[in-house]
Amino acid sequence: AAGVIQSPRHLIKEKRETATLKCYPIPRHDTVYWYQQGPGQDPQFLISFYEKMQSDKGSIPDRFSAQQFSDYHSELNMSSLELGDSALYFCASSSDRENTEAFFGQGTRLTVV
Amino acid sequence: AQSVAQPEDQVNVAEGNPLTVKCTYSVSGNPYLFWYVQYPNRGLQFLLKYITGDNLVKGSYGFEAEFNKSQTSFHLKKPSALVSDSALYFCAVRAYQAGTALIFGKGTTLSVSS
Repeated sequence: AAGVIQSPRHLIKEKRETATLKCYPIPRHDTVYWYQQGPGQDPQFLISFYEKMQSDKGSIPDRFSAQQFSDYHSELNMSSLELGDSALYFCASSSDRENTEAFFGQGTRLTVV
Repeated sequence: AQSVAQPEDQVNVAEGNPLTVKCTYSVSGNPYLFWYVQYPNRGLQFLLKYITGDNLVKGSYGFEAEFNKSQTSFHLKKPSALVSDSALYFCAVRAYQAGTALIFGKGTTLSVSS
């Protein structure tokens, strides 16, 4: 079965650079979530989209933005990167219309040096 | 806003013994509740969920959880623990509206000794 695909799996950036993370949800899922997980921490909710519209917002810094495109894939854009942005970034998708659980991708490990 | 509390950072049990990982939640309206497991450097794997219906839900790998509305709890249980159950367990909650945030607890590390 198709799963949530995230790219790239690993990314190394320097401070003040920009990064773009991509997420391809499971086909026919209507909701996409983005999370940031620091070492030994719980996943922190950043932002969600329902039917390509932003539906909820969490602790996403102003330096970050996200969008969902017509083909349902989503991108998390991160600018002016800081050392503290180093983390594992997860994307998840679900069908909220059908009350399914959220399926998580393998994550993108971002290292800011 | 919804929130989840997992009061124990770590739970230690011997193999073959029953285990319980505790979770309490706060959300407006009817809660949608989930348990996920995470192995080191891996994504989150779904274990089970409560949406509506029977308060006792059964999930993957022999895990089950009981929804208790009056105590706003959703504790994860397993009758007989395995060493391979050792991992990080997260409880999560979201409100019933589509697209709303799925919020995770701080996580509980389960350690099963042989």
